Amino acid sequence: QKEVEQNSGPLSVPEGAIASLNCTYSDRGSQSFFWYRQYSGKSPELIMSIYSNGDKEDGRFTAQLNKASQYVSLLIRDSQPSDSATYLCAPYTSGTYKYIFGTGTRLKVLA
Amino acid sequence: DTAVSQTPKYLVTQMGNDKSIKCEQNLGHDTMYWYKQDSKKFLKIMFSYNNKELIINETVPNRFSPKSPDKAHLNLHINSLELGDSAVYFCASSQDRGGRAPPDTQYFGPGTRLTVL
Repeated sequence: QKEVEQNSGPLSVPEGAIASLNCTYSDRGSQSFFWYRQYSGKSPELIMSIYSNGDKEDGRFTAQLNKASQYVSLLIRDSQPSDSATYLCAPYTSGTYKYIFGTGTRLKVLA
Repeated sequence: DTAVSQTPKYLVTQMGNDKSIKCEQNLGHDTMYWYKQDSKKFLKIMFSYNNKELIINETVPNRFSPKSPDKAHLNLHINSLELGDSAVYFCASSQDRGGRAPPDTQYFGPGTRLTVL
């Protein structure tokens, strides 16, 4: 079983729709969770972080965490073509200094 | 001002050569990382240094040797380059909070695209 699993996609959604990106992880000790966006040919950049069970909203982005199910998701509302990128999920376990990245989900927002 | 910088941006070299990639961060962070991203876009950690000490050394061939002369710099030297070393190498940095609080955001450099011919 991979440490962090994401559907590689591509996930295609029409402009204005909600894009839902999912991530499961195997390390129950993971306490912090990060979503990164990576455009083609660029470096990853942080979109959201979440540390507690439940939802966390920031503008058009909502991160959801369920530690019991070892599941974290990212919702993008009112998707725009500029949101087309690969989204990487990265759990972090304190004391390990290690962010474990998933393989990423490629999102395509169709104009 | 670039927070995390890497040089060179592109590196094309022949098999068997030795090359180095340099990384510098001006964020005052105490932890720096090297990642390898292959053609399938999988981002895999290679090394991590905290306060100039090696703390993560994943299963990486010993042809790869990191060096951290100070907290702001982490260089990567690769000996006897092989075709399979072709990838994008990212440097990153973050500030650890001693396990009592979530870590600070991890910032990535622009990447170095290494092509081995």
